[in-house]
Amino acid sequence: DQQVKQNSPSLSVQEGRISILNCDYTNSMFDYFLWYKKYPAEGPTFLISISSIKDKNEDGRFTVFLNKSAKHLSLHIVPSQPGDSAVYFCAGGGADGLTFGKGTHLIIQP
Amino acid sequence: KAGVTQTPRYLIKTRGQQVTLSCSPISGHRSVSWYQQTPGQGLQFLFEYFSETQRNKGNFPGRFSGRQFSNSRSEMNVSTLELGDSALYLCASSKPSGRAKTDTQYFGPGTRLTVL
Repeated sequence: DQQVKQNSPSLSVQEGRISILNCDYTNSMFDYFLWYKKYPAEGPTFLISISSIKDKNEDGRFTVFLNKSAKHLSLHIVPSQPGDSAVYFCAGGGADGLTFGKGTHLIIQP
Repeated sequence: KAGVTQTPRYLIKTRGQQVTLSCSPISGHRSVSWYQQTPGQGLQFLFEYFSETQRNKGNFPGRFSGRQFSNSRSEMNVSTLELGDSALYLCASSKPSGRAKTDTQYFGPGTRLTVL
């Protein structure tokens, strides 16, 4: 049973436009959610987090939205830049640690 | 501050062998978690160690084991290797906050294990 799902394996966005990465979860016990970004041959790096009691968190070009009733979260990147091309993982966190989605490969086109 | 380091970075083994991977967390971090990343399954949690004790364990067979030393360094061992164990093994460290809720994990670059 996949508790965290990222249904889009890849996403292509034009430079300067908004990138929206989506994530669905089934475990209502998650206390917080995280987004990680991963370049090839490197470990994931933390991007942004959101507590389950919030519905929005913003940090520069990155905003995460949480819809608890729909068990859905999304990461918005505005404006998208070439360096944003990477694999993005969402993760749900709780007392048992982190559960990751399979990732979405974001490709920013010039 | 130095990041999480993992050794070796690349490893080639044959079926049936065993392997030990090493992880040194960020200084001051006492929690170390291990993950397996494969193209088909994404990042999957193996186990977490805190103060030399296994605190959480994922859904992996007993061939996968680990330990943590008093200096918070951790090792992961896989015995009787199978072809399907070929993956990137990532280690992440975090600074405990007293509750798991806000612990951000910092990942190492991973060890790429290939089983032939």
